Amino acid sequence: GQNIDQPTEMTATEGAIVQINCTYQTSGFNGLFWYQQHAGEAPTFLSYNVLDGLEEKGRFSSFLSRSKGYSYLLLKELQMKDSASYLCAVAGSQGNLIFGKGTKLSVKP
Amino acid sequence: DAMVIQNPRYQVTQFGKPVTLSCSQTLNHNVMYWYQQKSSQAPKLLFHYYDKDFNNEADTPDNFQSRRPNTSFCFLDIRSPGLGDAAMYLCATSITGLAGGRATDTQYFGPGTRLTVL
Repeated sequence: GQNIDQPTEMTATEGAIVQINCTYQTSGFNGLFWYQQHAGEAPTFLSYNVLDGLEEKGRFSSFLSRSKGYSYLLLKELQMKDSASYLCAVAGSQGNLIFGKGTKLSVKP
Repeated sequence: DAMVIQNPRYQVTQFGKPVTLSCSQTLNHNVMYWYQQKSSQAPKLLFHYYDKDFNNEADTPDNFQSRRPNTSFCFLDIRSPGLGDAAMYLCATSITGLAGGRATDTQYFGPGTRLTVL
């Protein structure tokens, strides 16, 4: 079967660093995406990884290990506006994008 | 600005009354997708168009249909909405299809239409 696991909820403090993990088991792999979704809004693209390693983009970084079926999203210098759900999604071999249920991040002052 | 536009943002319909949701894009992307997202759940792909090629997911109910009259527009028709169809409906686009493993497969989402069924 196809499965994407990520924690349901996380809490962190403004200014801190938080790491959101994602593990996946899918039939085929054509890349992993991270999206941010504020409540009641559409997902917005954050990052894309298809090769192993770390991709850095400002305060956000994403890491991929294909052999371990594992990725994480790292958020630095947290701001209140980072409170949102973070969706991990894998492009499978059938041309479909499989989403995890998302991790709801709450940033507290 | 180039974008994915969905109208309306909020739609209320009655049980069994057909409803159409619309999506347009100015990105000139080849692929357009429709997702259903219920509260606290992952977006679920209903179908997608690669140009005029329609691709239906195996578990998408027959109650859901789609039309893509041209590159810019795509419609979601719900023929007889039930209470269980109340959800956020998300339209997304990408330059290329999903199987290429390239950054051009990144999907860009519209703001969504929240459907309420009374």
